[in-house]
Amino acid sequence: GEDVEQSLFLSVREGDSSVINCTYTDSSSTYLYWYKQEPGAGLQLLTYIFSNMDMKQDQRLTVLLNKKDKHLSLRIADTQTGDSAIYFCAERFTSGTYKYIFGTGTRLKVLA
Amino acid sequence: DVKVTQSSRYLVKRTGEKVFLECVQDMDHENMFWYRQDPGLGLRLIYFSYDVKMKEKGDIPEGYSVSREKKERFSLILESASTNQTSMYLCASNMGRGNTGELFFGEGSRLTVL
Repeated sequence: GEDVEQSLFLSVREGDSSVINCTYTDSSSTYLYWYKQEPGAGLQLLTYIFSNMDMKQDQRLTVLLNKKDKHLSLRIADTQTGDSAIYFCAERFTSGTYKYIFGTGTRLKVLA
Repeated sequence: DVKVTQSSRYLVKRTGEKVFLECVQDMDHENMFWYRQDPGLGLRLIYFSYDVKMKEKGDIPEGYSVSREKKERFSLILESASTNQTSMYLCASNMGRGNTGELFFGEGSRLTVL
């Protein structure tokens, strides 16, 4: 089955690291993504990782992929108030037509 | 920059009305998508189009139809709006195969059906 799960809320203090977790059940995905949605806006791609990678780092963002446990995480270093948003993980399948499965979204609140 | 524009940010309609949600992208993308976003449910795919006049049903197509007469424009139609269609609707587009598959989203259309 295809399902992507995330915790709904996360609260951190400014300057701390945030870790947002995601679990998925289908191992045939090729790319996994993290999107950010700011209030009143659409989703914007933050970063992605190809399924044959374990880790990807991009400035303050670190993505870890554990294929054995079907676990994806996004770490934001030195979290700022501007990072407050909803974060969605998503997986993409290329068998047949395009299909993306999105998680439920994690609302990150950064406390000053 | 890629721009995906949804014509209406906020709409209020009555039960039974016909509703059109318009989406235009300016990057010559082959694929266009309509998603529905509800709290705690994430994004659910309503319909997908991979070419002009081509469409495929997503996970929740019931009560919706779509139209893609031109490559840049993808419309979502609610033939007879119902209160359970009150939601945020997101349009997205991306290129065809052979890339990372990044989706480019519009800002969303928040529909309230009374």
